[in-house]
Amino acid sequence: GEDVEQSLFLSVREGDSSVINCTYTDSSSTYLYWYKQEPGAGLQLLTYIFSNMDMKQDQRLTVLLNKKDKHLSLRIADTQTGDSAIYFCAESSNDYKLSFGAGTTVTVRA
Amino acid sequence: NAGVMQNPRHLVRRRGQEARLRCSPMKGHSHVYWYRQLPEEGLKFMVYLQKENIIDESGMPKERFSAEFPKEGPSILRIQQVVRGDSAAYFCASSPRQGDNEQFFGPGTRLTVL
Repeated sequence: GEDVEQSLFLSVREGDSSVINCTYTDSSSTYLYWYKQEPGAGLQLLTYIFSNMDMKQDQRLTVLLNKKDKHLSLRIADTQTGDSAIYFCAESSNDYKLSFGAGTTVTVRA
Repeated sequence: NAGVMQNPRHLVRRRGQEARLRCSPMKGHSHVYWYRQLPEEGLKFMVYLQKENIIDESGMPKERFSAEFPKEGPSILRIQQVVRGDSAAYFCASSPRQGDNEQFFGPGTRLTVL
């Protein structure tokens, strides 16, 4: 199976919170990442968390890491239409080789 | 400062032809990474290059695929004698140094093999 798994689609109402979930298998993962891809653009790093952390918050973004269950989540507070995009979860056990999930397409509806 | 540039954005080849994908890293970046995304899968690491050196090609298929990053000019990912299974999106990323937590990605090249 895939090393990193995430659900493919999420639909959320504008103003609500979005939660995107991800699971990974590599217990030696050092860093875990969330990337955002807008149509026609490259992947943009949103945030990352070191494996010895449980949580990281950056403005509207909150990352939660459950290392025991190898579960990572990204919460977007007050979701806006500009948040519609594909969100990729990724992990790395060295300092350059990233393993990505298939991406979650987030659609924000009015 | 322009971002990572990839061209072409879309490439169509017939089986048996060669595909050349180009990647110009961000200014000042000397580390380049290539990833491949097959349909409905995540991006998979292929190769990591520094100027004139291949550092890690553990994700590259052993045959038909090669990559280079010359002293001057863009990085090139070359696929010889393409097959339908090579159809995918190929992403390039760059960073100014190894160990950086952020790789800056290009928009990708979508290769379709007929």
